[in-house]
Amino acid sequence: EDQVTQSPEALRLQEGESSSLNCSYTVSGLRGLFWYRQDPGKGPEFLFTLYSAGEEKEKERLKATLTKKESFLHITAPKPEDSATYLCAVQATAGNTPLVFGKGTRLSVIA
Amino acid sequence: DAGVTQSPTHLIKTRGQHVTLRCSPISGHKSVSWYQQVLGQGPQFIFQYYEKEERGRGNFPDRFSARQFPNYSSELNVNALLLGDSALYLCASSPGQRLSGNTIYFGEGSWLTVV
Repeated sequence: EDQVTQSPEALRLQEGESSSLNCSYTVSGLRGLFWYRQDPGKGPEFLFTLYSAGEEKEKERLKATLTKKESFLHITAPKPEDSATYLCAVQATAGNTPLVFGKGTRLSVIA
Repeated sequence: DAGVTQSPTHLIKTRGQHVTLRCSPISGHKSVSWYQQVLGQGPQFIFQYYEKEERGRGNFPDRFSARQFPNYSSELNVNALLLGDSALYLCASSPGQRLSGNTIYFGEGSWLTVV
């Protein structure tokens, strides 16, 4: 069974204090690993898709990396507006499979 | 271009009632998927529809059903509502049958509260 585990569950940072969120996964064969941002009461907003180990993608203060067992979302010099829940999801290669999500990491950035 | 639109945004229902949630995908997208997100959890897959046919179903009871219309919009129906059905229901759209992750976009969701 495909599984995604995200850690920590919650993270509180001071503005400018860089850190990383972890996403560990088990999947029969990985088609892609996805990161979404979700603000309270809103739908997930697409951030990145990673397809193979060693791949990296960046967007503003966010950088996502992928290994064969986990992905990291690095946040450099975060700002209060980066506060949100960050969701990780995997999609297996077998058939037409849906996204399997982790529970998310709630990030709070304090000014 | 309009994103994925869902309606209603919020609703309150009584146990045992029926609810219909609606979704319009991004223009040009032919696939619609439904997810349920309970507070504090990640979204869980309910259904995928492509070209008006069901292409995938998650581990949900038969009280949950859906359909897709010729214009690619979709409805999610839930019968005999239970308190545990209270959740954010998310619609996701993508261009083709295969749920290629970098083109899956979510709507803002419909908040359902069952009392």
